[in-house]
Amino acid sequence: GAVVSQHPSWVICKSGTSVKIECRSLDFQATTMFWYRQFPKQSLMLMATSNEGSKATYEQGVEKDKFLINHASLTLSTLTVTSAHPEDSSFYICSPGLGGGTGGKMRGTEAFFGQGTRLTVV
Amino acid sequence: AQSVTQLGSHVSVSEGALVLLRCNYSSSVPPYLFWYVQYPNQGLQLLLKYTSAATLVKGINGFEAEFKKSETSFHLTKPSAHMSDAAEYFCAVSSGTASKLTFGTGTRLQVTL
Repeated sequence: GAVVSQHPSWVICKSGTSVKIECRSLDFQATTMFWYRQFPKQSLMLMATSNEGSKATYEQGVEKDKFLINHASLTLSTLTVTSAHPEDSSFYICSPGLGGGTGGKMRGTEAFFGQGTRLTVV
Repeated sequence: AQSVTQLGSHVSVSEGALVLLRCNYSSSVPPYLFWYVQYPNQGLQLLLKYTSAATLVKGINGFEAEFKKSETSFHLTKPSAHMSDAAEYFCAVSSGTASKLTFGTGTRLQVTL
């Protein structure tokens, strides 16, 4: 299966600061990266989809200026939570889209996830 | 459009008893269906997946699920629960669009002695 590395696994930051989360695909190239958010005792909700070399697309209700996504290469996508507030405390997980790029698998047959990042804003 | 409904946010079984976690889906195209397990403060681990091949899918840790198109269901079962099965379980559906998933709300499985 695909290997996805997400860093950091947990972070505590002060309110008003910014936090960057990295997601790397280690053994394949991902033209697309899905970013999910999971609040305590809730399910995963798709926040945005990053696309290598172009702008990310955001789900309804997700502020694009607050959650900056960069997908500059086929193996790295980053999510930056800017001016974080306590309500941004959540579990953030990335998942590469495997329908494109070299080494990708058939669309929709599999979904791999990073280890997740537990963000706590105090 | 696609959606997933997991009946029962919390299921409790005795060790050794049958595990049944329910999942119903809605999809406008033939779906791909997944079950994931999540342990506290960890990411998701794929248990099994349905991709239009065999309707009875066997996964890891003794879990299996049966795709029933007529019932739009994909329930997860395990004949005999183990304490280590206690976790959160998510059912998810994909329409095949580059692995974008829609998740159910999750079911927390508790296993008691």
